[in-house]
Amino acid sequence: VQLVQSGPEVKKPGESLRISCEASGFSFANYWIGWVRQMPGKGLEWMGVIYLGDSDARYSPSFQGQVTISGDKSISTAYLQWDSLKASDTAMYYCARHRIGGNPFWYFDLWGRGTLVTVSS
Amino acid sequence: EVVLTQSPGTLSLSPGERATLSCRASLSLTSDYVAWYQQKPGQSPRLVIYGASTRAAGIPDRFSGRGSGTDFTLTISSLEPEDFAVYYCQQYVFSPRTFGQGTKVEIK
Repeated sequence: VQLVQSGPEVKKPGESLRISCEASGFSFANYWIGWVRQMPGKGLEWMGVIYLGDSDARYSPSFQGQVTISGDKSISTAYLQWDSLKASDTAMYYCARHRIGGNPFWYFDLWGRGTLVTVSS
Repeated sequence: EVVLTQSPGTLSLSPGERATLSCRASLSLTSDYVAWYQQKPGQSPRLVIYGASTRAAGIPDRFSGRGSGTDFTLTISSLEPEDFAVYYCQQYVFSPRTFGQGTKVEIK
């Protein structure tokens, strides 16, 4: 049982990027997959979540319009995408899961290892 | 958005001592949907407590959580060497589900 994240990325400002998170060893049907940002030396920020079963995505207002969360249930994979990266997007991005079933289960019980995104000219 | 304020920012303690970490919400949480996570350097966060007081699978009983309304606490009764880390609280009552800024528990 694990979340397998794609490898580190080094990009230039203005470039696009999509990183991935594959649900392995468990059924995506029972979980939402979320994304959490951690900027260098800083804390955790909840970005949003997606239910792969119907691609229902929810965003934090802080990230709405800045990123796109999508998924492909045929390969149990969630994505986090940027159309035009900025230097301030440099961070570690974790995916994590929480169970379906409403608010009582909206804590992350399994985390991926993180994808480091570096944006620099 | 609910702001969670954790205190202290850093807790300097020796192994065997008791650690008490605080998490205060900017508005009253109508349900006890608070989680605590542990993060060690270079590692992903790990769930420690959910529902304010329920230990996650594999978490030793020296970890305990309590609280309601706006004030929540994580207590480590007797610190082991592997407990020195940063701890984050999270509320999952209101959207967006926000995290506190973290408390670092360091070896004195």
